[in-house]
Amino acid sequence: GENVEQHPSTLSVQEGDSAVIKCTYSDSASNYFPWYKQELGKGPQLIIDIRSNVGEKKDQRIAVTLNKTAKHFSLHITETQPEDSAVYFCAASKADKLIFGTGTRLQVFP
Amino acid sequence: KAGVTQTPRYLIKTRGQQVTLSCSPISGHRSVSWYQQTPGQGLQFLFEYFSETQRNKGNFPGRFSGRQFSNSRSEMNVSTLELGDSALYLCASSLGGFQETQYFGPGTRLLVL
Repeated sequence: GENVEQHPSTLSVQEGDSAVIKCTYSDSASNYFPWYKQELGKGPQLIIDIRSNVGEKKDQRIAVTLNKTAKHFSLHITETQPEDSAVYFCAASKADKLIFGTGTRLQVFP
Repeated sequence: KAGVTQTPRYLIKTRGQQVTLSCSPISGHRSVSWYQQTPGQGLQFLFEYFSETQRNKGNFPGRFSGRQFSNSRSEMNVSTLELGDSALYLCASSLGGFQETQYFGPGTRLLVL
């Protein structure tokens, strides 16, 4: 069935370093790719999203890239800070579905 | 504007009981989706309601049901609870559906004993 694979499951970086999380989707009809951040005790919150007609999008320290041919998309966080520590979920969507990846626990050490 | 609210925040039930969870979406949002979150399975889609109609459904047994009221508030019900139903249940609202930003509530943590 349709699924979204996400890697790595855990990621530890030093403050100031970059972090990259990668996702692969199976349904070529997917055309919307949001990324969510979930902090302890809270629901996921959208941090950035990209649509299939765009290859890259940036918002300050966060960027997302999309390769439709390979069905890959990635989240890039630069200059990481301790407050970036959280679980990050990618997702792939079409009109009638929104499928989440399994999550990446990011730990940023001071 | 006020965010998505879910009640109750915590719930303890025993096997065989039933439970009803409530979700109040952001004002003006007509789509409400429900997800089950567990450490092993991640975020699993339960169902989506739009203008009081179930528009999409995930792969969960019929023990899981929901409804949406005319003010867009939604409830989900789980009957004949099983131990495996222990999870964080999240609802999310959006203006029109999956292709728009989903605003999640804090979730209801259900423990089935």
